Amino acid sequence: ILNVEQSPQSLHVQEGDSTNFTCSFPSSNFYALHWYRWETAKSPEALFVMTLNGDEKKKGRISATLNTKEGYSYLYIKGSQPEDSATYLCAPQVEAGGTSYGKLTFGQGTILTVHP
Amino acid sequence: EAQVTQNPRYLITVTGKKLTVTCSQNMNHEYMSWYRQDPGLGLRQIYYSMNVEVTDKGDVPEGYKVSRKEKRNFPLILESPSPNQTSLYFCASALLRGGLRNEQFFGPGTRLTVL
Repeated sequence: ILNVEQSPQSLHVQEGDSTNFTCSFPSSNFYALHWYRWETAKSPEALFVMTLNGDEKKKGRISATLNTKEGYSYLYIKGSQPEDSATYLCAPQVEAGGTSYGKLTFGQGTILTVHP
Repeated sequence: EAQVTQNPRYLITVTGKKLTVTCSQNMNHEYMSWYRQDPGLGLRQIYYSMNVEVTDKGDVPEGYKVSRKEKRNFPLILESPSPNQTSLYFCASALLRGGLRNEQFFGPGTRLTVL
């Protein structure tokens, strides 16, 4: 089982603050990295799928970067809003032959709470 | 509307009584997967399927079976459920174009309680 670590475990910020979280994963045999946003009582929703070292992706106020050589990705939220409150999950994939890249191992997530 | 559906959404059952949770998607996705979510343990993958008749184990496959006889359906079978399988289950699907480097779409979840 892949070792995937997300930090911090939880974060409380004020509306308007910018924030960032980290996802760490094994760098060997890297295939892709997924970021998902999961609101309470809903289903996870995809934010980004990142594949190349140095990738940077952006969706509105949310952006992510990827370093496959050292095995980490950062997720940034600029000007947090209360509706950004959710759990943010990352899931790396590795390529180890056959259909192994279909296996996703999720981190435990970072719980973000944005206070008005 | 493009979606992943799961049935039932809620189920309370007893130890040992076989059950099936259905999952269906209408997006013509090749890839489908099952996850369980437990407090403090996050989302863990049970099984996944790259296409019809191709299934592989995830990180926690013990006690579960799956089948992929049609592209749109990927049922999760618990032959003899036990209380430690009480959990929230999610089904997801994705396109395999360019390999599995595409976002997954999740179903609404099935909350299972095994007494």
